[in-house]
Amino acid sequence: DVKVTQSSRYLVKRTGEKVFLECVQDMDHENMFWYRQDPGLGLRLIYFSYDVKMKEKGDIPEGYSVSREKKERFSLILESASTNQTSMYLCASSTPLGLEDTDTQYFGPGTRLTVL
Amino acid sequence: LAKTTQPISMDSYEGQEVNITCSHNNIATNDYITWYQQFPSQGPRFIIQGYKTKVTNEVASLFIPADRKSSTLSLPRVSLSDTAVYYCLVVISSGSARQLTFGSGTQLTVLP
Repeated sequence: DVKVTQSSRYLVKRTGEKVFLECVQDMDHENMFWYRQDPGLGLRLIYFSYDVKMKEKGDIPEGYSVSREKKERFSLILESASTNQTSMYLCASSTPLGLEDTDTQYFGPGTRLTVL
Repeated sequence: LAKTTQPISMDSYEGQEVNITCSHNNIATNDYITWYQQFPSQGPRFIIQGYKTKVTNEVASLFIPADRKSSTLSLPRVSLSDTAVYYCLVVISSGSARQLTFGSGTQLTVLP
């Protein structure tokens, strides 16, 4: 079975702190994604990566950056956390069909981040 | 880019068939439609995927009309454990722009 793990289930940070959210997948997937999920808004794509050291902006990249130094690991970085970044963050990985094919994504359990 | 549209919520009773529709007017020509299920405090889980007509697996069916402007997830004989949020995922295209888009989700509540 595909396994996608996220470093924390719950995280509390203060405004202005730098926050790292880590995601690891064990299925050698090329594609990895970061979403945030908010009530009434569903899942919104922040960034995705289709290869090591490659990244593409999603729908809401402002305030975030990402890092993909190894194939299995995709990190989401909040350079200076703000209260409006309080949310559930979900990582996903998928088979190497490319974004165009809407390939099957496998999700991690999520990290609920609270910024005070 | 146009968004996908799903009903916010649906109620059903155990043993009934449930149909959840997702509208996606600008779906990319050659892309699939995928449905996910999400329980509280978990990430979404893949249910079914299709391109056109009908697809069936052990848990659900997916109906996609010829114009592909909508799709319907069908859950046969639901049980209490099917209570969850259901999302459709499509690639929306507008000119040269392409956008991976989740619907806002449908909360299905199955009642005894």
